[in-house]
Amino acid sequence: GAGVSQSPRYKVAKRGQDVALRCDPISGHVSLFWYQQALGQGPEFLTYFQNEAQLDKSGLPSDRFFAERPEGSVSTLKIQRTQQEDSAVYLCASSLALIRGYTFGSGTRLTVV
Amino acid sequence: AQRVTQPEKLLSVFKGAPVELKCNYSYSGSPELFWYVQYSRQRLQLLLRHISRESIKGFTADLNKGETSFHLKKPFAQEEDSAMYYCAGGYAGNNRKLIWGLGTSLAVNP
Repeated sequence: GAGVSQSPRYKVAKRGQDVALRCDPISGHVSLFWYQQALGQGPEFLTYFQNEAQLDKSGLPSDRFFAERPEGSVSTLKIQRTQQEDSAVYLCASSLALIRGYTFGSGTRLTVV
Repeated sequence: AQRVTQPEKLLSVFKGAPVELKCNYSYSGSPELFWYVQYSRQRLQLLLRHISRESIKGFTADLNKGETSFHLKKPFAQEEDSAMYYCAGGYAGNNRKLIWGLGTSLAVNP
């Protein structure tokens, strides 16, 4: 597609609920990143895929967070048993190569109530 | 530890004034450095890459390895430059993640 597409744009979840956030990267971009951005903060790295391989998941804050990209294109970030501290904007970005920079999606704003 | 620091949370200037948004990094070797911008209600977008030495929307950024800085500059600020600016750095190796500063909110007043 023309850009990185994320859905839903907004998600309100009750504490304890599971959520799934979707990212559709730019076609042909092998690298895909998930970031978490809390209010007033810069993006914080969560995980990185090269094609379908998850090469770095060091930023996932707990084992409640899980990401996959089974066919090397669309990715899903799943959060189980959501907590209030999970409330943030979740950003997806894709890239051909780091040297070219990332293209970001609009993000999903998750609010856990 | 790898770190990107933007010391100013908010920068306010008048239209036509010069603007400099500061960014310092603590990396060994040769990192890739970037400036990203987020206008109100829009997504984060790439503004500048240090490798390309380009000028975008009148902005330039020079990598100063001695001072480990990558400050963003524009000689004459415009109201449409008002936005959130993020500095980010990383290595083009297996670990391609970027480390981000906290951002500087630039307000250009008429």
